[in-house]
Amino acid sequence: DQQVKQNSPSLSVQEGRISILNCDYTNSMFDYFLWYKKYPAEGPTFLISISSIKDKNEDGRFTVFLNKSAKHLSLHIVPSQPGDSAVYFCAASAGGANSKLTFGKGITLSVRP
Amino acid sequence: GAGVSQSPSNKVTEKGKDVELRCDPISGHTALYWYRQSLGQGLEFLIYFQGNSAPDKSGLPSDRFSAERTGGSVSTLTIQRTQQEDSAVYLCASSSQGFEQFFGPGTRLTVL
Repeated sequence: DQQVKQNSPSLSVQEGRISILNCDYTNSMFDYFLWYKKYPAEGPTFLISISSIKDKNEDGRFTVFLNKSAKHLSLHIVPSQPGDSAVYFCAASAGGANSKLTFGKGITLSVRP
Repeated sequence: GAGVSQSPSNKVTEKGKDVELRCDPISGHTALYWYRQSLGQGLEFLIYFQGNSAPDKSGLPSDRFSAERTGGSVSTLTIQRTQQEDSAVYLCASSSQGFEQFFGPGTRLTVL
């Protein structure tokens, strides 16, 4: 049973436009959410996170929105750049800091020059 | 500073053989995690070590899988009698006091 779902396997956007990556979850015990970015043959790298007590967190071109009632979060990248092309994983935690993460299957983002 | 390192980067083995995968976490990180990513799938939690506490083994798929962490640092994931379905990228991560986990580059395991 997938507790973290990234239903769109891929997304293609034009350079300079906004990329919106979606993530849904089913476990109401999740209280912290993270986005990771992964290039081929490398490990995932942390991008941005949000606590369940917030509904928005922004870091430069990256913003994560959380809708707890809908159990939905999204990552916005604006403006998108070709270097953003990668696989993006949504992850969730239910056990506080230093606890295991539950990951979605990932979304492959392609940013066209 | 040095990140999480894993060895080997690639491992090809025959079905039925045992394999050992190694992880060197970031120095000072108290928590260490193993995940695996099968083709087309997300990262699947395997096992988690936190300080001197008993490890959380709830993600290990079978008793052929085991892991240990020596001296609170290096960890070894052992898969006995490998099967073709064990083929995946095995990722190790470590963390300090926050939610963010730092991942190594992974070991790609192929079981023929």
